[in-house]
Amino acid sequence: SQQGEEDPQALSIQEGENATMNCSYKTSINNLQWYRQNSGRGLVHLILIRSNEREKHSGRLRVTLDTSKKSSSLLITASRAADTASYFCGRYSGTYKYIFGTGTRLKVLA
Amino acid sequence: DAGVTQSPTHLIKTRGQQVTLRCSPKSGHDTVSWYQQALGQGPQFIFQYYEEEERQRGNFPDRFSGHQFPNYSSELNVNALLLGDSALYLCASSLYRASGANVLTFGAGSRLTVL
Repeated sequence: SQQGEEDPQALSIQEGENATMNCSYKTSINNLQWYRQNSGRGLVHLILIRSNEREKHSGRLRVTLDTSKKSSSLLITASRAADTASYFCGRYSGTYKYIFGTGTRLKVLA
Repeated sequence: DAGVTQSPTHLIKTRGQQVTLRCSPKSGHDTVSWYQQALGQGPQFIFQYYEEEERQRGNFPDRFSGHQFPNYSSELNVNALLLGDSALYLCASSLYRASGANVLTFGAGSRLTVL
C-alpha cells in the first residue's frame, strides 16, 4: 500500500487558474520530492524540498513543507494546458526504498 | 546526454510465461530502481540495485527478480506471469548520495500486458 497520499485525487481547472495539490505522509523525512507524469510515461522530477526548508520556488511552482503536520503542498500558478498530467509526491521509506503516493490527476482546460 | 532507456516499449505475454525487461541508466548514475505502476495508481517500489546487488525490496513475490551488470544496466525478470502483472514497469536511475537527496530519473517504461 502507498505510504503517501495526495489529494485531491483529481482536479480540473481553467487555463490561467492556480492549481494546488497536497501530500501527506506518515513517518519522518529528510526530504520530499514532487514528480510529474504525462499520460502513462515516465515520471519527471520537479522539485526537492529538504526537511529544514518550509518553502521552495521553481518557476511557476511553489512547494511548501510542514513537518509538524507531515504534509506538503504543490502550487502551480497560471496553469497551462501543458500542465495537464498526474503529480506525485515521493519520499524515502527506510534507507533505500523510495515510495510515491497515489497521485493527483490535473486537467487544465483551454 | 542520454537519459534512462528501457526496452521493450510494449509487450504481450500469456499467463505462465516469463518476461525480461531491460534498463540502461542515465550516464553517470550508479543506482537502478524498478517500479510497477497499475493503471490509475502510483508507482510501487519493486527493488533497488546498487553495486550489482539488490539493496532493498518492496512487497513483491520471488517471481520478481533482477540483476545489475557492471556497466550499471539492469534487468527485471518476472516468472510465471499472472493477469495481475499487467502494468507499466518503470526503471529509475540515480546517483547514490549518503545524504538521501537522490533525484530519480525515469525511463518511459515498458508496458506489459498479460493475457
